[in-house]
Amino acid sequence: EPEVTQTPSHQVTQMGQEVILRCVPISNHLYFYWYRQILGQKVEFLVSFYNNEISEKSEIFDDQFSVERPDGSNFTLKIRSTKLEDSAMYFCASSGTSGNRGIQYFGAGTRLSVL
Amino acid sequence: GNSVTQMEGPVTLSEEAFLTINCTYTATGYPSLFWYVQYPGEGLQLLLKATKADDKGSNKGFEATYRKETTSFHLEKGSVQVSDSAVYFCALSANTGNQFYFGTGTSLTVIP
Repeated sequence: EPEVTQTPSHQVTQMGQEVILRCVPISNHLYFYWYRQILGQKVEFLVSFYNNEISEKSEIFDDQFSVERPDGSNFTLKIRSTKLEDSAMYFCASSGTSGNRGIQYFGAGTRLSVL
Repeated sequence: GNSVTQMEGPVTLSEEAFLTINCTYTATGYPSLFWYVQYPGEGLQLLLKATKADDKGSNKGFEATYRKETTSFHLEKGSVQVSDSAVYFCALSANTGNQFYFGTGTSLTVIP
């Protein structure tokens, strides 16, 4: 069964450093997403991406964050200058359709620890 | 706005016990509702869904009914197994935009 893969599974970084989290969505999907979950809190939406541009983003997704689809298979989330409060589990998702009938398929997540 | 409130965990049950995990939602319009499950070391996997009021989603012995009058989508299973130990997430997709709204997740441990 096709799946979304995320690398690395755990990333440790120093405050102020840049990190790039990588995702390979399901190959025929067109819609891509990033979510995060701070320990003990809800899974929160960050951004959605379609047709090589951001289609929706939350208040969390400020200028420190960016997304890119650098080639036909990868989808990346970059945090320019990490803060302690960026420590969280980051989930990538993809879907073949949009709207509230579309199922989103999630990766296993990248745990980001900012020291 | 849109939000999901999910029963706090962790939940520990004996094998063959009855499971209920409560989920209520707030939404504008007519959302679709989902339960996802996360087994250790894996991604969130869709467990079941319902797209309109009174729909019942079911999979692997789990069921949830979309109740518009009580804005609820409680997850139930009649007889849990050790292999059901996982974290369960209730989620909502509104009819505007593509983002999902999740609850905090409920950790379930089933002991033999």
